[in-house]
Amino acid sequence: DGGITQSPKYLFRKEGQNVTLSCEQNLNHDAMYWYRQDPGQGLRLIYYSQIVNDFQKGDIAEGYSVSREKKESFPLTVTSAQKNPTAFYLCASSRASDGKGTQYFGPGTRLTVL
Amino acid sequence: AQSVTQPDIHITVSEGASLELRCNYSYGATPYLFWYVQSPGQGLQLLLKYFSGDTLVQGIKGFEAEFKRSQSSFNLRKPSVHWSDAAEYFCAGYMDTGRRALTFGSGTRLQVQP
Repeated sequence: DGGITQSPKYLFRKEGQNVTLSCEQNLNHDAMYWYRQDPGQGLRLIYYSQIVNDFQKGDIAEGYSVSREKKESFPLTVTSAQKNPTAFYLCASSRASDGKGTQYFGPGTRLTVL
Repeated sequence: AQSVTQPDIHITVSEGASLELRCNYSYGATPYLFWYVQSPGQGLQLLLKYFSGDTLVQGIKGFEAEFKRSQSSFNLRKPSVHWSDAAEYFCAGYMDTGRRALTFGSGTRLQVQP
């Protein structure tokens, strides 16, 4: 089955630790995205990548880092510099790399900082 | 700045009643517009999209939306709501060629009363 997988589903982190969220897609999509979702704020764009080995900052990139070494993978690292990382994180992908294509979403990872 | 606005944070309707969720956008040209639905703790599922052409678009689960340029709106409708429609609904648009990513509204939470 084609789709987007995110792991883990739940993640707990101590303050000061870096954690990496996984996102994998087997849809052969060029573009991939990371969003953060907080109650009442909708989805905010963290980073996106239109092609392998290239990515751009979104609206709230501070405290996050990404890599895009393979077409199917776009991991997100939440660093200790992120002041309030507790949130629901969603990964998406799109066939079109110009931003106009339909985005398909993974099931999400809920990160909690203890 | 380009934006997507969902004026209603929370809506409650009775099962079997009609539904209309509002979405307004701010953009000088015709945007690409999407409606997504999210069940609690899940990813987003595409309901429908508008790129061009017929301004009334049909989607999955009996939903439809109408693009009205004069009102800068893309409202989602369903003639008869089912209890399983209870979820959060997001309107999103592609409006900025420099950004190359979707802009999301803050969402509308739908409750369905028996």
